[in-house]
Amino acid sequence: DVKVTQSSRYLVKRTGEKVFLECVQDMDHENMFWYRQDPGLGLRLIYFSYDVKMKEKGDIPEGYSVSREKKERFSLILESASTNQTSMYLCASSAGTGFSYNEQFFGPGTRLTVL
Amino acid sequence: RKEVEQDPGPFNVPEGATVAFNCTYSNSASQSFFWYRQDCRKEPKLLMSVYSSGNEDGRFTAQLNRASQYISLLIRDSKLSDSATYLCVVNSGGYQKVTFGIGTKLQVIP
Repeated sequence: DVKVTQSSRYLVKRTGEKVFLECVQDMDHENMFWYRQDPGLGLRLIYFSYDVKMKEKGDIPEGYSVSREKKERFSLILESASTNQTSMYLCASSAGTGFSYNEQFFGPGTRLTVL
Repeated sequence: RKEVEQDPGPFNVPEGATVAFNCTYSNSASQSFFWYRQDCRKEPKLLMSVYSSGNEDGRFTAQLNRASQYISLLIRDSKLSDSATYLCVVNSGGYQKVTFGIGTKLQVIP
């Protein structure tokens, strides 16, 4: 069974803290994604990676960085958390290469609150 | 104009009703189209792909209208379990990258 896991379901951090969100997939997928989901705005892509050590900016990369040292793991880093980064963060993975889209499988999400 | 637009709803319909959602997209070069379903406090999951010829999966029918740049989802004989948010997803040719609509909330009432 397809599985994407995220390190925490709920996280509370203070402004200025460095925050790490971890995502692991067990499907040997090439592609991994980080989204945030906010009411009225939907899912917005922060970063994605199509291979180990490769990353591409999504639509809203400012204030975030990512790391993909192993194929199964994709980390999202908030270098200095701010209150406007309070959100639901969703990780996803998909198989395949090239421009043909393949189904994305999502993790359960991390609800991050920055105080 | 947003790349993908949906009416957020909510659509409140009685059990057994037929309900349809539309989703418009702005990029005429868009290649692939999908509907995802997201239950309350859960992650999105693929419901169905949308092909040029349209496709049907049980009570669900998805259609694409390239001329008017919209896709639709029709649900027949609504069940309580259909209550969810339906996300329109469009791939515009970028590598594996898609754009999600904000979703349309459906509430099926007994």
